[in-house]
Amino acid sequence: GAGVSQTPSNKVTEKGKYVELRCDPISGHTALYWYRQSLGQGPEFLIYFQGTGAADDSGLPNDRFFAVRPEGSVSTLKIQRTERGDSAVYLCASSPLPGNTGELFFGEGSRLTVL
Amino acid sequence: AQTVTQSQPEMSVQEAETVTLSCTYDTSESDYYLFWYKQPPSRQMILVIRQEAYKQQNATENRFSVNFQKAAKSFSLKISDSQLGDAAMYFCAYRPPFTTSGTYKYIFGTGTRLKVLA
Repeated sequence: GAGVSQTPSNKVTEKGKYVELRCDPISGHTALYWYRQSLGQGPEFLIYFQGTGAADDSGLPNDRFFAVRPEGSVSTLKIQRTERGDSAVYLCASSPLPGNTGELFFGEGSRLTVL
Repeated sequence: AQTVTQSQPEMSVQEAETVTLSCTYDTSESDYYLFWYKQPPSRQMILVIRQEAYKQQNATENRFSVNFQKAAKSFSLKISDSQLGDAAMYFCAYRPPFTTSGTYKYIFGTGTRLKVLA
């Protein structure tokens, strides 16, 4: 596709449920990022993939959060046993590497609401 | 640890006037990237302007320009001839050099909401 695509756009779930959020990056972009944005806050880093591997997962808040990118393209962010505090917009971004511009290309995000 | 601070939660500007959004950051690195991103209500972040730390010349993109003060670790955004479409959240972001950090992790500030008054 022309841009970064994220699905679902909105997800409402109940506390304790499992959710998956999908990100389809721009074709050819090897770097993929997940960020979490709480209301009124800036994006908070979660994880960064270079190809299929997680190059930096230091932002994942706990072991309920996990992300994969098995073929180096589409990525899925998985959240187990959701809590109300997980409610946020989850942003995905991709970037060509080695890129000399440094620009991140963002999707529109997935808004997660945990009731 | 690197940090990015935006001390203005909200700013207002009259249409056609000029406004400056502030950003400071903290790093021990000498070479890095700085960015301003715009986030409209649609949520999609869009790059406004980019500055490479090793370049002394301030970046300019049409009505948008920056004042990059490396020693002061300051990176402000100036919007000239403000338009209604400029209304959005603006985020300042920092990216460290890959060679020393081993990652391209971007660090964002908390944002400034810009209102443009007709």
